[in-house]
Amino acid sequence: GAGVSQSPRYKVAKRGQDVALRCDPISGHVSLFWYQQALGQGPEFLTYFQNEAQLDKSGLPSDRFFAERPEGSVSTLKIQRTQQEDSAVYLCASSPYRLAGGREQYFGPGTRLTVT
Amino acid sequence: SQQGEEDPQALSIQEGENATMNCSYKTSINNLQWYRQNSGRGLVHLILIRSNEREKHSGRLRVTLDTSKKSSSLLITASRAADTASYFCATDARGATNKLIFGTGTLLAVQP
Repeated sequence: GAGVSQSPRYKVAKRGQDVALRCDPISGHVSLFWYQQALGQGPEFLTYFQNEAQLDKSGLPSDRFFAERPEGSVSTLKIQRTQQEDSAVYLCASSPYRLAGGREQYFGPGTRLTVT
Repeated sequence: SQQGEEDPQALSIQEGENATMNCSYKTSINNLQWYRQNSGRGLVHLILIRSNEREKHSGRLRVTLDTSKKSSSLLITASRAADTASYFCATDARGATNKLIFGTGTLLAVQP
């Protein structure tokens, strides 16, 4: 079946531009996560949704980062006024479980964001 | 911040050899997972071990967990060129069960 998909796969933005990254989780998955992966590092947690509710946004690095999942399926991560330090791969993951940290998460291919 | 570190940072072996990667973490955990990431692609789940387990096997994979030392190891036996990838351990910390905290990863290169 279809896995987690993300779009665009690559995004180049000029410093100061706003970007929107999309995640289509596996159909019916309750939990959705966003992670940020800098070059040569492991992914770092940004935010977590259970259906449409954003239950944890403790990993968002600044108020320029905003995520939503209005209908409990597709999610969008928006970064306003992008900075060079925002350059990274943004990974989306989903899980059919509510307490998803203790279960396998299904990852998308990621969006590679380059801010010039 | 990362949960912990993995060593070695990079490992190069010949096809058919075994590869061992180690992961250390900082806080008490419920579970530990290992993921593989091929170049330019998302992460794929390999195996999960619970905090009350000491060893687990899945095909050519063997995972151990030592909660007293806050460490885990992943052994890949009879490696293949297709095993070339980055390997990450990930934990869910007690009291924060809705996210994974990843290590820094080991880059494994299997030479044909």
